[in-house]
Amino acid sequence: QVQLVQSGAEVKKPGASVKVSCKASGNTFTSYDINWVRQAPGQGLEWVGFMNPNTGYTGYSQSFQGRVTMTGSISTVYMELSSLRSEDTAVYYCARGRGITRGFDYWGQGTLVTVSS
Amino acid sequence: QSALTQPPSASGSPGQSVTISCTGTSSDVGGYNYVSWYQLHPGKAPKLMIYEVNKRPSGVPDRFSGSKSGNTASLTVSGLQTEDEADYYCNSYAGINNLVFGTGTKVTVL
Repeated sequence: QVQLVQSGAEVKKPGASVKVSCKASGNTFTSYDINWVRQAPGQGLEWVGFMNPNTGYTGYSQSFQGRVTMTGSISTVYMELSSLRSEDTAVYYCARGRGITRGFDYWGQGTLVTVSS
Repeated sequence: QSALTQPPSASGSPGQSVTISCTGTSSDVGGYNYVSWYQLHPGKAPKLMIYEVNKRPSGVPDRFSGSKSGNTASLTVSGLQTEDEADYYCNSYAGINNLVFGTGTKVTVL
């Protein structure tokens, strides 16, 4: 049974960084990529980027280039977002896929990141 | 990269069909056969319903189908059931390290 388990909610001040983890439970990320998608309150889904835990390859949305870093291994992947602003307040999901073309079949439970002074 | 355009809402009675459109450009929807659809229930993680335009993951009822024509992809839900009431989002590959989501559609079962 594939499960992606994310770390708990975070509250950060503007300008700070946040690091969210995504752990494979009952399986590993072998042969898969891990994507990060966020949903701000009342807004739609937004793709942040992805990482191949096997090779370390990362690909980031231009909207987050320079502020996001994805690291990890075949058991746990991390997403770090820096220079936080209020607009980054959102639920962040990790999701398993093969690249970014074939859909994301398993998702984490989501991590609420709140940016507030 | 602009979000793909979806109608804000769609509705149908139980047993009827509803079709949701997802309009992009030749740089995303029209350029690749890599459109996916997700179902979101409040407070729950998204669920993959369709990938690569018209493929269904195992476990997704065949009431859900996908298609594409030009720069517009569509998701059709046939035989609407109350549990189909949810938000639906499309996404499309738009080039290397570029994935764009749609604006989302709220489906209401009347």
